Amino acid sequence: AQSVTQLGSHVSVSEGALVLLRCNYSSSVPPYLFWYVQYPNQGLQLLLKYTTGATLVKGINGFEAEFKKSETSFHLTKPSAHMSDAAEYFCAVRKYSGGGADGLTFGKGTHLIIQP
Amino acid sequence: GAVVSQHPSRVICKSGTSVKIECRSLDFQATTMFWYRQFPKKSLMLMATSNEGSKATYEQGVEKDKFLINHASLTLSTLTVTSAHPEDSSFYICSARDLRQPYEQYFGPGTRLTVT
Repeated sequence: AQSVTQLGSHVSVSEGALVLLRCNYSSSVPPYLFWYVQYPNQGLQLLLKYTTGATLVKGINGFEAEFKKSETSFHLTKPSAHMSDAAEYFCAVRKYSGGGADGLTFGKGTHLIIQP
Repeated sequence: GAVVSQHPSRVICKSGTSVKIECRSLDFQATTMFWYRQFPKKSLMLMATSNEGSKATYEQGVEKDKFLINHASLTLSTLTVTSAHPEDSSFYICSARDLRQPYEQYFGPGTRLTVT
């Protein structure tokens, strides 16, 4: 089974400061990992994903994440926060049942607050 | 590209009635679609996997007779909440997997269901 833990339900940073959102996963198979962003009353937008290959993954809007197998982590970072980054962020791992078409297991989400 | 739409975006219904929510992939074909439920300030929970031309696969604890799923074409899946009750009020989000990019899911904007 796969699971995701996001540390910190709320993270507050100043505009221009580093953003760090933490995600740890558990998976019995090599994981496929994702970060999504959700704005109020909207669906989810993919920020970035890790499947195989390079462990440092770059996404949209200046975000990146590093897959660290030894730490079972996939933390999301952005060097300089912008007011428009304020949103809910979800880390997710692909569910794997062997059937080939699997949904996602999501973490509980981290609400990112940007202070001016 | 890779746009998923949902209709309606919001619906209010009376207890005991049924409500149908549509999920469409607008510019790609999707043999697999997924239905998620999101409670207020909570994470997304996978309800079921919808496969074109076959029966849906439901996650443990999800009542298949309560949440009817039909995936009649490569671009349309429907979720019908039967005999809705106030506890069914939630934000329902679908996603679709592009045949050409099997590791990604594209999410719809969600449907807010309120049962009075």
